[in-house]
Amino acid sequence: DGGITQSPKYLFRKEGQNVTLSCEQNLNHDAMYWYRQDPGQGLRLIYYSQIVNDFQKGDIAEGYSVSREKKESFPLTVTSAQKNPTAFYLCASRDRLYGYTFGSGTRLTVV
Amino acid sequence: AQKITQTQPGMFVQEKEAVTLDCTYDTSDPSYGLFWYKQPSSGEMIFLIYQGSYDQQNATEGRYSLNFQKARKSANLVISASQLGDSAMYFCAMREETGRRALTFGSGTRLQVQP
Repeated sequence: DGGITQSPKYLFRKEGQNVTLSCEQNLNHDAMYWYRQDPGQGLRLIYYSQIVNDFQKGDIAEGYSVSREKKESFPLTVTSAQKNPTAFYLCASRDRLYGYTFGSGTRLTVV
Repeated sequence: AQKITQTQPGMFVQEKEAVTLDCTYDTSDPSYGLFWYKQPSSGEMIFLIYQGSYDQQNATEGRYSLNFQKARKSANLVISASQLGDSAMYFCAMREETGRRALTFGSGTRLQVQP
């Protein structure tokens, strides 16, 4: 079945460490998105990519970086510059008819 | 810029009753799409229903219907015959029709269905 796989499900980061969240899709979608969700709040856009080898900053990109070297993959790196990284991270892709598919998310905690 | 407002942080409903979750939006685009998602405690986002700004009729999907009032810029979700499994967070979202074509989300409503 087609879908989006995010890994790991839970991730613990020490202060000052960079960590990378994986997002893989087998839907053949061109566009992919990363969202951050804080407890009791809605989703906010971190980065997006509309095509391979291209990506753009979203609304809260500071302290994050991404790459899009393959159509299937859109990893997100949370750098040490992100001062408050504890959150739930969701990856999504969009089809040409503007439907969106979400992954099951990664819960990141700073220890 | 687009904005979605959900003014009900939490709602309670009795099992088998109907409930309405409010959503208002603001946009200057003439064309837009409105979505409702359900997020259970596991965190996944489950698509419920979609309404296009030019759709003449309100969208319906099983027990879900969307009360779309364009002049009032509201897109309320109605869940009929609530079930215990409906307890979750519900998010209203708007699709950007140009540029990044991302979803803009409201802050959500936590629905609790009581037996």
